[in-house]
Amino acid sequence: KNEVEQSPQNLTAQEGEFITINCSYSVGISALHWLQQHPGGGIVSLFMLSSGKKKHGRLIATINIQEKHSSLHITASHPRDSAVYICAVRAEGGSQGNLIFGKGTKLSVKP
Amino acid sequence: EAGVAQSPRYKIIEKRQSVAFWCNPISGHATLYWYQQILGQGPKLLIQFQNNGVVDDSQLPKDRFSAERLKGVDSTLKIQPAKLEDSAVYLCASSLVTGATNEKLFFGSGTQLSVL
Repeated sequence: KNEVEQSPQNLTAQEGEFITINCSYSVGISALHWLQQHPGGGIVSLFMLSSGKKKHGRLIATINIQEKHSSLHITASHPRDSAVYICAVRAEGGSQGNLIFGKGTKLSVKP
Repeated sequence: EAGVAQSPRYKIIEKRQSVAFWCNPISGHATLYWYQQILGQGPKLLIQFQNNGVVDDSQLPKDRFSAERLKGVDSTLKIQPAKLEDSAVYLCASSLVTGATNEKLFFGSGTQLSVL
């Protein structure tokens, strides 16, 4: 079983829909990252969370440390949001270098 | 602010050949990471540098992979000899502060390696 699980693996939405991507992890963490990867490999860091909730534009990320779960929400989705969204956690106590990545959720937003 | 620069963007080689990738992190970023991302999977850490010292190379296949960051700035990752299973995107990332609550990672565009 992977230490970081994302769901769904693939998601197709119509423009304007509210989107939720989930991330569950099985290790104790000091931080959780949400990343966006566009075709061609470029990765952009969206959020870094250690508790609570963060909002940036149409993106909202929440984390529940007790339940070991985080969600990424996109409001009023747009075709330009189409990308792979990756959850990554930094485990407590381990090497600071080692982020554990989920396999990503591929989002396609249709016009 | 200039981002993380990587080159080449694409590389196609035959198995048993050698290949090298180059990364220039954001100026002032002490921490540099090399990740391997196989198609359909999340990135896997190969090596982490703090300045020019290695912090974590536990997942680096040292029989064929090597990396250096001699002056604490640019880094090179080498594969010698390459195997078919090395086909992947090799991502370089840097950060100013590692492990802190305000850490943010910056990724390069990656080098897509195809081993034939």
